Amino acid sequence: AQRVTQPEKLLSVFKGAPVELKCNYSYSGSPELFWYVQYSRQRLQLLLRHISRESIKGFTADLNKGETSFHLKKPFAQEEDSAMYYCALRVDSSYKLIFGSGTRLLVRP
Amino acid sequence: GAVVSQHPSRVICKSGTSVKIECRSLDFQATTMFWYRQFPKQSLMLMATSNEGSKATYEQGVEKDKFLINHASLTLSTLTVTSAHPEDSSFYICSATGFVNTEAFFGQGTRLTVV
Repeated sequence: AQRVTQPEKLLSVFKGAPVELKCNYSYSGSPELFWYVQYSRQRLQLLLRHISRESIKGFTADLNKGETSFHLKKPFAQEEDSAMYYCALRVDSSYKLIFGSGTRLLVRP
Repeated sequence: GAVVSQHPSRVICKSGTSVKIECRSLDFQATTMFWYRQFPKQSLMLMATSNEGSKATYEQGVEKDKFLINHASLTLSTLTVTSAHPEDSSFYICSATGFVNTEAFFGQGTRLTVV
């Protein structure tokens, strides 16, 4: 079955603390994974994708096929990082995406 | 990045009526559009995939006669919720990809309230 699991509904950290938002997936094919972010009152937007292996706004995510994980990390959280984060799995040649339940990141001053 | 616009942003309708939601790609041709539904504090659930000029493909459990999808042009897809009931109240979001297909771009969503 195709599934994306984000175990934490809410992650609250202080500014400057490290952040790790967990994502695990279940997929029989070769996975393509994404992290999307939704800031307050804004639309969903792509944060990063595993194939790019890039760092966006200080965030990185590494695909670990052995652990079927794609955790999102940032060494020093900023208040402006507070948002809803969704992990997503692309399941075919179009951009059909299976989303995790989302994690709300709250960065406190 | 490319822009996808939904209209209306929010709508209130009476139970039993139908309501149409539009999803437009403003600066690219959208070969494929996706419709999602999001309940409060829950994730996005894919409802259907539509390709321009073809019938939409619905996910399991989604009633195609209830949620009519039309993708008649490369810049417009519509979702019509027919005979709406209060349980249809939700946040509906579309996304679109184009010929280059490097990314899915999301609309701002439409909040439907059925009273």
